[in-house]
Amino acid sequence: AQSVTQPDIHITVSEGASLELRCNYSYGATPYLFWYVQSPGQGLQLLLKYFSGDTLVQGIKGFEAEFKRSQSSFNLRKPSVHWSDAAEYFCAVGNFNKFYFGSGTKLNVKP
Amino acid sequence: EPEVTQTPSHQVTQMGQEVILRCVPISNHLYFYWYRQILGQKVEFLVSFYNNEISEKSEIFDDQFSVERPDGSNFTLKIRSTKLEDSAMYFCASSVNSHYEQYFGPGTRLTVT
Repeated sequence: AQSVTQPDIHITVSEGASLELRCNYSYGATPYLFWYVQSPGQGLQLLLKYFSGDTLVQGIKGFEAEFKRSQSSFNLRKPSVHWSDAAEYFCAVGNFNKFYFGSGTKLNVKP
Repeated sequence: EPEVTQTPSHQVTQMGQEVILRCVPISNHLYFYWYRQILGQKVEFLVSFYNNEISEKSEIFDDQFSVERPDGSNFTLKIRSTKLEDSAMYFCASSVNSHYEQYFGPGTRLTVT
């Protein structure tokens, strides 16, 4: 069965520190992988996506993610977190018709 | 930059009433989707729609739900007889084709009392 696991419900990092949000997936075929960000009261904004090719993908706002097929992972990283990055982050895996979302990781940024 | 819009932003209804949630997808997009997010929970797929018919639906999308593209711009989700457990944020999304990412609207918060 298809599923996405985000093992960290809450993460707190200091501003300027590096960040890694974990995502593991279970999917029967070659996955399309996505990271979305949701600020309070807002919709979902696409940060980056992986369809094929280079396994390290760059996204908006300085985020990147690496697809590791052997580990079924698609972790999100940022070298230096800004206070405005505080939000909830969702990993998703999809096919042509539907996405499966993880339960999200809430990021808190300390000054 | 084009975006998906949804109306209303918040809808309050009584149990048993019918509600229609409206979405205007990005104009050149051909695939349309509805998702819901119960407060504090993950985003869940409801239905995908292409070429005026449902492509795929989840087990959540039972007979009380229906979708329609009544004209060239709107995409609607109808809940025929709302239940308390239908209270959630409902997101509409669209994509230019099935191989591309989905763009999400800001959501409609539905509160069933």
